[in-house]
Amino acid sequence: DTEVTQTPKHLVMGMTNKKSLKCEQHMGHRAMYWYKQKAKKPPELMFVYSYEKLSINESVPSRFSPECPNSSLLNLHLHALQPEDSALYLCASSQVGPPYEQYFGPGTRLTVT
Amino acid sequence: SQQGEEDPQALSIQEGENATMNCSYKTSINNLQWYRQNSGRGLVHLILIRSNEREKHSGRLRVTLDTSKKSSSLLITASRAADTASYFCATLKGGGNQFYFGTGTSLTVIP
Repeated sequence: DTEVTQTPKHLVMGMTNKKSLKCEQHMGHRAMYWYKQKAKKPPELMFVYSYEKLSINESVPSRFSPECPNSSLLNLHLHALQPEDSALYLCASSQVGPPYEQYFGPGTRLTVT
Repeated sequence: SQQGEEDPQALSIQEGENATMNCSYKTSINNLQWYRQNSGRGLVHLILIRSNEREKHSGRLRVTLDTSKKSSSLLITASRAADTASYFCATLKGGGNQFYFGTGTSLTVIP
């Protein structure tokens, strides 16, 4: 199974809402990633988890809160977002060591109103 | 922050032609990878080239790497309409899992 799943596919939320994005993989990968992608732009790294511990936070605002409850699951908790946070949020996984080939989920299309 | 730039930004070719896209990056790398993204979907890994390799082939894909110029190119031969997508190079920073994607090339293959 080389699939990374993400739910929901689409999410519309107000600026006062709290919501969560979910990501799951069953490839035994111990590194998981969150990326943000705006239209016609490349993915931008947000967070990296290695062995269920947060290893990289690319200076992401605290209104985004990642969580890795176990080696297969990755969540991104959202609170008090701004309209400019509207984007495609991509989850990926890989082995911790080389060659670091990443497997991506289909993404969650987030719209903040 | 991004580490790479790609050119051209957009490329339109006829089916059967070859497509070449280039990637330049800024710092030393462990490896360089190429990914494809169909519109609004997740990325798919295409090919990886290590820093000690100069050329690599996979099916209709040919990748070259010039570490002295900090650049790489992806050649897709005998293109098909299904190759229409955005293509991104990705470099791995340092010894960890920090991937940075280039600005991307949008390829359109006209049937």
